[in-house]
Amino acid sequence: NAGVTQTPKFRVLKTGQSMTLLCAQDMNHEYMYWYRQDPGMGLRLIHYSVGEGTTAKGEVPDGYNVSRLKKQNFLLGLESAAPSQTSVYFCATQRGNTEAFFGQGTRLTVV
Amino acid sequence: KQEVTQIPAALSVPEGENLVLNCSFTDSAIYNLQWFRQDPGKGLTSLLLIQSSQREQTSGRLNASLDKSSGRSTLYIAASQPGDSATYLCAVDQGAQKLVFGQGTRLTINP
Repeated sequence: NAGVTQTPKFRVLKTGQSMTLLCAQDMNHEYMYWYRQDPGMGLRLIHYSVGEGTTAKGEVPDGYNVSRLKKQNFLLGLESAAPSQTSVYFCATQRGNTEAFFGQGTRLTVV
Repeated sequence: KQEVTQIPAALSVPEGENLVLNCSFTDSAIYNLQWFRQDPGKGLTSLLLIQSSQREQTSGRLNASLDKSSGRSTLYIAASQPGDSATYLCAVDQGAQKLVFGQGTRLTINP
């Protein structure tokens, strides 16, 4: 039982490059989230999904896209990476009004 | 807009002391409040979840309280140990299980 798995764990991108972060969960949770964590800013919600095939914008969605084609996977895409997107990205899942489970994070640097 | 504040930002205490971490929020219309622990370079681990109808939750040496009307929560750690050293974050659920996080309290327990 792996819980929430994020791929990759580390990545360095050049400005303008694109990439996709994968979040996979084996807990059959309906809700999935992408957060970014920056020093002095805390965790901020980028996008979220309340079920397969649905996505919605969070607090800081600009520059990101997401897809939830399968219940267990939630993908976060950066179409044209910018230095301001240097951050640690966390995926989380939740079942209803219960505790949230987080992945180990993806440390992304855009140069 | 909901704002969550954690004071102090950092705390250092000798081993064995009892301590209290504080969390305040500006909008009392919450579904629940969670306390998380984050170790350096790691993801978040949920410690305690308090539903909006509850006043407190306990797990081992941890006790979390919630006063919705005053917009405050506290995390009490009894008989602190060096292994308790970590960053502690609180987060409130405002609906659709979207969490709004505080910036955390970095706790150091000195042997």
